Amino acid sequence: KNEVEQSPQNLTAQEGEFITINCSYSVGISALHWLQQHPGGGIVSLFMLSSGKKKHGRLIATINIQEKHSSLHITASHPRDSAVYICAVQPGDDKIIFGKGTRLHILP
Amino acid sequence: EPEVTQTPSHQVTQMGQEVILRCVPISNHLYFYWYRQILGQKVEFLVSFYNNEISEKSEIFDDQFSVERPDGSNFTLKIRSTKLEDSAMYFCASSVTGDTQYFGPGTRLTVL
Repeated sequence: KNEVEQSPQNLTAQEGEFITINCSYSVGISALHWLQQHPGGGIVSLFMLSSGKKKHGRLIATINIQEKHSSLHITASHPRDSAVYICAVQPGDDKIIFGKGTRLHILP
Repeated sequence: EPEVTQTPSHQVTQMGQEVILRCVPISNHLYFYWYRQILGQKVEFLVSFYNNEISEKSEIFDDQFSVERPDGSNFTLKIRSTKLEDSAMYFCASSVTGDTQYFGPGTRLTVL
């Protein structure tokens, strides 16, 4: 069983739509990361959170520790948001367990 | 804006050869990491490094792998005798306090 499950695996939406990507995990964690991987392979860290909610521009990340669930939202989506979005959890210490990613494609 | 850099961007090697992948973390960062991503698969943690020693390593990080911070700026990953299955994208990351990690662009390793 995967310790980090993301849904959906693939998502295609029209420009301007509100996007939600979900992440569920099965282990106790000290932190959860949302990362963005561009088509060329580069990885950018979007958020690290251990409780509540964080916002950066059009991106919002929430986490519910009791339910072991996190969501990443994108408001007013744009074609440049097209990428793979990866949820990763940190059980403790330094090791990070990655999800398989959600491939997002925003159509103009 | 400071960034993590990695060299080379692409390394091709013969099976059994040693390779050294190089990373220059952001200058005031103290925590360093290596990850790999086999084509089409998820990113996997390899090792973390702090205060000149390994703080955590995964099952993948066996005796064929080693890390080193040979000077104040570089952080290297050495694979002693490469196997076909070592072909992957290798990412270095660094962090100030062990929280938000900044990733390098990756080195694509191809083992023939």
